[in-house]
Amino acid sequence: TQLLEQSPQFLSIQEGENLTVYCNSSSVFSSLQWYRQEPGEGPVLLVTVVTGGEVKKLKRLTFQFGDARKDSSLHITAAQPGDTGLYLCAGRNEKLTFGTGTRLTIIP
Amino acid sequence: GAVVSQHPSRVICKSGTSVKIECRSLDFQATTMFWYRQFPKQSLMLMATSNEGSKATYEQGVEKDKFLINHASLTLSTLTVTSAHPEDSSFYICSARSGSGGLGNTIYFGEGSWLTVV
Repeated sequence: TQLLEQSPQFLSIQEGENLTVYCNSSSVFSSLQWYRQEPGEGPVLLVTVVTGGEVKKLKRLTFQFGDARKDSSLHITAAQPGDTGLYLCAGRNEKLTFGTGTRLTIIP
Repeated sequence: GAVVSQHPSRVICKSGTSVKIECRSLDFQATTMFWYRQFPKQSLMLMATSNEGSKATYEQGVEKDKFLINHASLTLSTLTVTSAHPEDSSFYICSARSGSGGLGNTIYFGEGSWLTVV
């Protein structure tokens, strides 16, 4: 069974602060994706990282894939209330396995 | 617009009855579809992988006789929750993989279906 542990599980910070969410596994993945999910909706893909060590930036969000392709991080700079949501990493081999999730709340 | 559609988006059924949820790929053919279940405040848990024209592959701990999956065409997979109980109440999400397979193909998610068993 491929397990992805995310930390922290919950995070509540003030607007303007920076934060990092971690996604760790003992399994190697061909690629890793990050999703954001709003209540009652399906997850929305933010980014896919494929190469070990790869870094991708999406405005204030920076995603990194670990060199061994077992872990990843999501860093948000100057968080805004609109960033509030459930963030999910997902490792992909033949199927997509989701991480345990990080519920982020940005306080105005 | 959505490329994977689920129906119904919300359903309430009585305990002991069966309910069917449909997952359709709208503008592409999906040989593989995936069914997930998500309990409140938790992540998505893969239930089964559905392959067109063959039997679904279920994850460990998922009862195949309770959660019937049919993938009869390249654009439609159905999940039937049989003899539903209140503990089956959950958010069910499907996803569909475009193309004939392989890691380069994109996976698209449906909007999810809320099931409440009373």
